[in-house]
Amino acid sequence: AQSVTQLDSQVPVFEEAPVELRCNYSSSVSVYLFWYVQYPNQGLQLLLKYLSGSTLVKGINGFEAEFNKSQTSFHLRKPSVHISDTAEYFCAVSNFPNNAGNMLTFGGGTRLMVKP
Amino acid sequence: EPEVTQTPSHQVTQMGQEVILRCVPISNHLYFYWYRQILGQKVEFLVSFYNNEISEKSEIFDDQFSVERPDGSNFTLKIRSTKLEDSAMYFCASERARGQPQHFGDGTRLSIL
Repeated sequence: AQSVTQLDSQVPVFEEAPVELRCNYSSSVSVYLFWYVQYPNQGLQLLLKYLSGSTLVKGINGFEAEFNKSQTSFHLRKPSVHISDTAEYFCAVSNFPNNAGNMLTFGGGTRLMVKP
Repeated sequence: EPEVTQTPSHQVTQMGQEVILRCVPISNHLYFYWYRQILGQKVEFLVSFYNNEISEKSEIFDDQFSVERPDGSNFTLKIRSTKLEDSAMYFCASERARGQPQHFGDGTRLSIL
């Protein structure tokens, strides 16, 4: 079984400041990792993914994340946030390479609140 | 860019009634999923579907739930006899190939009275 923990339920930050949203996972096998963003009254939109290769992955809207296997983490970062980044962010894992299914296991979400 | 579309956006149903949630996945996608999110809780996997059969399901997906792909475009989730605890946001997702990112719809908010 796998699980995902997002350590912060809310992160308030001022506009143009850097931000890091933390994600840790547990799995006995290798995983694929994803970050999704949910704007109010909308669905989940993929921000970025780690499948293999370089541990630093870049996504849309200036976000990036680093896969750290030894610390089982996949933290999301942005060097300078905008008001429009205010949303709920979800970390998710899939253990697809190891079985036939590709169900996603989600963390509890982090609400990023960007203040002017 | 192609999107996953879900209807209705909000469904209000009396407890004990049947409800069908509809989804139109992206046209060249082959794998389909339902997830739900109870207010204030995590997004939870319900079921995955491929080649006209269920490939994986969670403990939540009991006999009250069923899925169907009745034609080449729609993917439906049916709850036979709704309970108060079925109130949640239900998300449909589709995937072009195994291991690729899943694309989500905007969800259907199901409210059971």
